[in-house]
Amino acid sequence: GNSVTQMEGPVTLSEEAFLTINCTYTATGYPSLFWYVQYPGEGLQLLLKATKADDKGSNKGFEATYRKETTSFHLEKGSVQVSDSAVYFCALSGPYGGSQGNLIFGKGTKLSVKP
Amino acid sequence: ETGVTQTPRHLVMGMTNKKSLKCEQHLGHNAMYWYKQSAKKPLELMFVYNFKEQTENNSVPSRFSPECPNSSHLFLHLHTLQPEDSALYLCASSQESTYSHNEQFFGPGTRLTVL
Repeated sequence: GNSVTQMEGPVTLSEEAFLTINCTYTATGYPSLFWYVQYPGEGLQLLLKATKADDKGSNKGFEATYRKETTSFHLEKGSVQVSDSAVYFCALSGPYGGSQGNLIFGKGTKLSVKP
Repeated sequence: ETGVTQTPRHLVMGMTNKKSLKCEQHLGHNAMYWYKQSAKKPLELMFVYNFKEQTENNSVPSRFSPECPNSSHLFLHLHTLQPEDSALYLCASSQESTYSHNEQFFGPGTRLTVL
């Protein structure tokens, strides 16, 4: 079945460091791919998404490119801030099945950014 | 503020109690979801409603009973819970559940503790 694997955390970085959080997926066909972020005490918010191969999603300085050949959707940011400290979830939905909108999540990666 | 509200934000209950969680969305969506978020586990999809019809029950024990009276409201009725049911329960909504590219909007969650 469909699944998402993302790197284990926690990840601790200094402010202005480069961030990569790896995410790979297993699915038949072409799923849609998402990164959600959860700040402390809050629900999840969509950070970015990509719906077809080679699409790049971007938001708030974060980017991820849908790589069909490597079944990956790695999250990157060139210069992290303390306010980026949160838990990041990679997820997919579709592409086949009766409820294609249902999301399958990775376990989440906790990011801590130190000043 | 995502347009999805959940009440209560915190709930402590004994194993013999009956309580209900409430979710309301103000986004005009037609699909609503319940998720369970436990420590060190991926988010677990529990139930999906699309146009008020339940389309997914992810093998959830019968002590959890969902209700969707209309497209804006979703309830989760709880009775005779176990301590391992303690978790953050998240509600989400989307335009509808059959398209993989639809973003889900999450509420802040209800932190449930079962004593």
